[in-house]
Amino acid sequence: GESVGLHLPTLSVQEGDNSIINCAYSNSASDYFIWYKQESGKGPQFIIDIRSNMDKRQGQRVTVLLNKTVKHLSLQIAATQPGDSAVYFCAVDPMDSNYQLIWGAGTKLIIKP
Amino acid sequence: ETGVTQTPRHLVMGMTNKKSLKCEQHLGHNAMYWYKQSAKKPLELMFVYSLEERVENNSVPSRFSPECPNSSHLFLHLHTLQPEDSALYLCASSQEPSPTNEKLFFGSGTQLSVL
Repeated sequence: GESVGLHLPTLSVQEGDNSIINCAYSNSASDYFIWYKQESGKGPQFIIDIRSNMDKRQGQRVTVLLNKTVKHLSLQIAATQPGDSAVYFCAVDPMDSNYQLIWGAGTKLIIKP
Repeated sequence: ETGVTQTPRHLVMGMTNKKSLKCEQHLGHNAMYWYKQSAKKPLELMFVYSLEERVENNSVPSRFSPECPNSSHLFLHLHTLQPEDSALYLCASSQEPSPTNEKLFFGSGTQLSVL
């Protein structure tokens, strides 16, 4: 079955720098990929998604990159701000369930002033 | 505000207690979900409801009993829990019951401690 792993449990970034959070998945047939952000005391919040027919998608200050060759997904946050402090989760459609997403364990982004 | 409200925010219960978690969504969505979030572990899907009908039970022990009286409300009834059930329980909703194609809107969760 599908598995999802994050490269780092914690990432510290200087305020104003760009942040890159990485995620790896195992099933080459996976079709849909999502990033969620969870701030302290809140539930996860959708950030951006991408389908396998694309390799890049941009939102407001965020970009998701998909490399299907190496089964790698990354979230880039431009000009990181204190409000970006949160745990970031990638989730992948395993293609064998109508309802189940496979979630990574999360990367905690810490912003240094 | 995500449009999904969970109560209570915190709950401490003994192993012999019976309690219920409540979730309400104000988004007009057709699907509602219960997830379990344990420290440093991925989110675990527990139950999925589509228009008040349970469509997924992800091998959850019977000490967790969901109820969906209408498309806006979802409950999780708890009884005879174990300490390892201590976790953050998250409710979510989506327009249609397909989180692989739909954004999930989460509540803030109920932090449950079982003593």
